[in-house]
Amino acid sequence: IAGITQAPTSQILAAGRRMTLRCTQDMRHNAMYWYRQDLGLGLRLIHYSNTAGTTGKGEVPDGYSVSRANTDDFPLTLASAVPSQTSVYFCASSEVYGVSDEQFFGPGTRLTVL
Amino acid sequence: GQNIDQPTEMTATEGAIVQINCTYQTSGFNGLFWYQQHAGEAPTFLSYNVLDGLEEKGRFSSFLSRSKGYSYLLLKELQMKDSASYLCAVMDSNYQLIWGAGTKLIIKP
Repeated sequence: IAGITQAPTSQILAAGRRMTLRCTQDMRHNAMYWYRQDLGLGLRLIHYSNTAGTTGKGEVPDGYSVSRANTDDFPLTLASAVPSQTSVYFCASSEVYGVSDEQFFGPGTRLTVL
Repeated sequence: GQNIDQPTEMTATEGAIVQINCTYQTSGFNGLFWYQQHAGEAPTFLSYNVLDGLEEKGRFSSFLSRSKGYSYLLLKELQMKDSASYLCAVMDSNYQLIWGAGTKLIIKP
């Protein structure tokens, strides 16, 4: 693999179900991010990790959790999905957090919660 | 609050020049980014400005005025493949990116 991969590509989920979106990068980047993108709104940061073992909250963290057990993987979990979490989710990474590095994005996961 | 404003949609003709504006109000400023996003795809990096002035990269240029809270992306010699959304983002005092909603650029032959 090269870059960032996300799985699944798309998913339809019943409200109340638990769901984990997977994200893996092979660039050995220290920083990783989860965004959601909704029509008419800019990308919004959900959670981030500046290095393996540490995570932080972004602008819209409620209802989501993340973990960073190693450098490559950064899964996003919805503990009990609600319809307002219907969105396109992008995982991204950068070499270092807190500097002007560009962020590289995965292809996205389109999630529909019914 | 933090706010990034850019036009929702613009139309231009193949071969022409188009300027996409972005104004921002954020808590702190650590640089401004422009990304391109084709429909159904991931955003990809175009440019970064942290100092006032113009940065040129091929057909694309980006300008920043920190005192005015203003940037623009200039696209020259437009090609049909430039049809996409262009996203303006500012890195705030927490080093998090605040994103505009994007400008959908439609190129007509």
